[in-house]
Amino acid sequence: EVQLVESGGGLVQPGGSLRLSCSASGFTFSSYDIHWVRQATGKGLEWVSTIGTAGDTYYSASVKGRFTISREKAKNSLYLQMNNLRAGDTAVYYCARELGAGGGYDYWGQGTLVTVSS
Amino acid sequence: DIQMTQSPSSLSASVGDRVTITCQANQDISNYLNWYQQKPGKAPKLLIYDAFNLETGVPSRFSGSGSGTDFTFTISNLQPEDIATYYCQQYDNLPPFTFGPGTKVDIK
Repeated sequence: EVQLVESGGGLVQPGGSLRLSCSASGFTFSSYDIHWVRQATGKGLEWVSTIGTAGDTYYSASVKGRFTISREKAKNSLYLQMNNLRAGDTAVYYCARELGAGGGYDYWGQGTLVTVSS
Repeated sequence: DIQMTQSPSSLSASVGDRVTITCQANQDISNYLNWYQQKPGKAPKLLIYDAFNLETGVPSRFSGSGSGTDFTFTISNLQPEDIATYYCQQYDNLPPFTFGPGTKVDIK
């Protein structure tokens, strides 16, 4: 069974850092592009970042230069290092597996809440 | 960046009704369009990919169509369990892979 499980969320002060993890199981982790998507309370979905199978990385303009996506194939894990956090980064963060060939996200984690507040 | 709009932003329909949601891109995205369903407190669920392909296990009352800039998502026979917010998402070429603002579907 394919599973994605996020962890690492919590309360952090503005300007602080946090590292989110996404643990994958039930599929060949290295063969799929994996994405981070976030959702502020009561708001819509926002694509945040992607890491491709070749290690290529992409970021939304709102997080570029502050967030870093990475993956550790030996641990079937994805990470999102978030630095210089702002109130606007407050959201539930989901990791999601891409179906393939640029298709939709067929498996999602349950999400982890990041709250940036003093 | 490609911008996505959806309409309506919300709708209320009766059980058994046919429900249609439209999604528009501000430039040609071919058929690189997905549709998701999200229920409160849950992660989104992929329903349609590549504009019209039904994801495995998704009921056939859900369908999608369109290409280029204009897309349609249809629920042919609305059921109580279809109460949710529906999002389109484009994935043309390079990121950002923009989502539409969402359409909230309620039962009348």
